[in-house]
Amino acid sequence: DVVMTQSPLSLPVTLGQPASISCRSSQSLVYSDGNTFLSWFQQRPGQSPRRLIYQVSKRESGVPDRFSGSGSGTDFTLKISRVEAEDVGLYYCMQATHWPGTFGQGTKVEIK
Amino acid sequence: QVQLQESGPGLVKPSETLSLTCTVSGGSISSNYWSWIRRPPGKGLEWIGYIHYSGRTNYNPSLKSRVSISLDTSKNQFSLRLSSVTAADTAVYYCGRGFGTTPSSWGQGTLVTVSS
Repeated sequence: DVVMTQSPLSLPVTLGQPASISCRSSQSLVYSDGNTFLSWFQQRPGQSPRRLIYQVSKRESGVPDRFSGSGSGTDFTLKISRVEAEDVGLYYCMQATHWPGTFGQGTKVEIK
Repeated sequence: QVQLQESGPGLVKPSETLSLTCTVSGGSISSNYWSWIRRPPGKGLEWIGYIHYSGRTNYNPSLKSRVSISLDTSKNQFSLRLSSVTAADTAVYYCGRGFGTTPSSWGQGTLVTVSS
C-alpha cells in the first residue's frame, strides 16, 4: 500500500497567521490518465471528516479560499493563509491513485 | 445536501458478522460511488471498500476475503458486512459518498466494538 506521511503531526498556530501541512507519498500519485488523486480532509471536533481539496488543488464548493493545496508527484502541501478559530481540528491527506486508497496519520491544528 | 447516517449494532461478538447500514437522504443512491471507511481506536483511517451505483465493488485486499458491500435502491441504503470479526475490527465506521471513488461526504460514524 502507498504510505502517506504527514508533518507536522501537531501544529499550534496563532489566529490570523498562516499554517502549512506537508504530505509525502511513498510512490508517485500521478495516475495513468495524468490526473493526481490527492485530497485533503478536515475533521472538526465532534464532526465527521469533510473534503476540502481534491486533485491536489481544487477546492470543494463552499470551502473558504484561505485553504489552498499544491504539489506534485510525491510531495503535497495544504496551506491556510490566515487561520481562524473554526479551523481547529484534524487534517488528513488521502490518495486514491493506487488501490487501496490510503490516508496520512493526521495533523492536529490548534490555536496557541 | 446529501446526508448519510450509519446504523447497526454497537457490539458484536468475536467470530460473528458485523453488519452496518448507511441511509442516504437528500439524494439518490442510484448514482455516484458509496464507500465504507473505518478508524480503529488510536490508529489511522482505513478505506474498507466502495460500491458503484452499477453494483461494481472494490474491496481493500487486507479485508477482501471477509467483506461485502451491497446496495438497496428501494430503501436508498447501502450496507457493509464483515465476517469473522476479531477485536482488531473494533473501530468507528463511516459511510461516504463520492462523485469519483474518493468519498467526499461522510456520515457521522458509528462505533462498533468486538467483544464477548
